[in-house]
Amino acid sequence: EVHLVESGGGLVQPGGSLRLSCAASGFTFSSYEMNWVRQAPGKGLEWISYISTSSSPIYYADSVKGRFTISRDNAKNSLYLQMTSLRAEDTAVYYCARGWFDYWGQGTLVTVSS
Amino acid sequence: QSVLTQPPSASGTPGQRVTISCSGSSSNIGSHTVYWYQQLPGTAPKLLISKNNQRPSGVPDRFSGSKSGTSASLAISGLRSEDEADYYCATWDDSLSGRVFGGGTKLTVL
Repeated sequence: EVHLVESGGGLVQPGGSLRLSCAASGFTFSSYEMNWVRQAPGKGLEWISYISTSSSPIYYADSVKGRFTISRDNAKNSLYLQMTSLRAEDTAVYYCARGWFDYWGQGTLVTVSS
Repeated sequence: QSVLTQPPSASGTPGQRVTISCSGSSSNIGSHTVYWYQQLPGTAPKLLISKNNQRPSGVPDRFSGSKSGTSASLAISGLRSEDEADYYCATWDDSLSGRVFGGGTKLTVL
């Protein structure tokens, strides 16, 4: 059974940094593209980043380009999102999702506030 | 403001058929396949339709998808109370060089 488990969320001050992780199991992680998607409180889904199986190419939404970095470790079956220069508008539940979002994790909440 | 436009709300009574639209442009829906997701309250989204009209295993055949030109639609027949959820379309956008979601449609079963 496919499982995606995000971790690393929490409360961070504006301008701060945070690193999210997504542990994958139940499938051959190295064979699948992966994504990060976020959802601000009471709002819709926003795709923010994509990484291919070999880590190239990588794509970002304009809203996070230059501030967030997606990466993966196929040996550890893990996906990461390094977030820097965080803003209040980055407050959201962050989900990792496989391929064309056929499986999702349960999400991890990131709150950016002073 | 998403490049994919969905109506913010839709409604129907049990047993009815409802459709949810997703309008885009030549740089997204017009050139790429469309996916649909259901998000029940307090849960992660779930894939409903892939590649315009393919239902993943386990998705009831009450759900169907279609695409024509720069628009796509999700149809739900035999509406049930458990279908009350938010629905999102998604595709790739060439101009943005990224994946995009529609703004979402909240379906209410009256």
